[in-house]
Amino acid sequence: GENVEQHPSTLSVQEGDSAVIKCTYSDSASNYFPWYKQELGKGPQLIIDIRSNVGEKKDQRIAVTLNKTAKHFSLHITETQPEDSAVYFCAATLYNQGGKLIFGQGTELSVKP
Amino acid sequence: KAGVTQTPRYLIKTRGQQVTLSCSPISGHRSVSWYQQTPGQGLQFLFEYFSETQRNKGNFPGRFSGRQFSNSRSEMNVSTLELGDSALYLCASSSRDITDTQYFGPGTRLTVL
Repeated sequence: GENVEQHPSTLSVQEGDSAVIKCTYSDSASNYFPWYKQELGKGPQLIIDIRSNVGEKKDQRIAVTLNKTAKHFSLHITETQPEDSAVYFCAATLYNQGGKLIFGQGTELSVKP
Repeated sequence: KAGVTQTPRYLIKTRGQQVTLSCSPISGHRSVSWYQQTPGQGLQFLFEYFSETQRNKGNFPGRFSGRQFSNSRSEMNVSTLELGDSALYLCASSSRDITDTQYFGPGTRLTVL
């Protein structure tokens, strides 16, 4: 089955710097890759996603890139702010009716003011 | 539009007991998925329901079961509780399937003593 590995497990940056989180997946058939942000005491919130027919997607300060050949995808956050501090999860799934999301282990991002 | 609601928010049970958790999806959403979140195993897919039918199931023992009602509300049940079942149980809803935007609830924190 699908396996997703996420690195790093913790990341500390200064406010204004960029942050990059990387994930690799094992099943080449996977074709949907969402990223979630989870704040303390809350459920995960989708922040951006990408499908396998696209190599890059951007939404303001957040971007995701996908390399299907290497089976890895990355989250890029630019101009980080203290409110970006949270745990970020990547996930992968096969677009199929009833497909299940397989999550990475999470990255705890700390943005220091 | 009201978000995904889960009840109860906190539960304390003892080994051997059973528990039922409830999830009300966003109005109009027909897909409901359940996940278990623990520090050691991360976010793991339990099952997904669509129009009262279980469409996919994760790798959990048969003690974990669920159902969905005609109004899309869903319940999950865990029988013969074990210490290792202590976790945050998250419910997510989407309009059609798991590759539509998943909206997560705040979760139910289950502690098994």
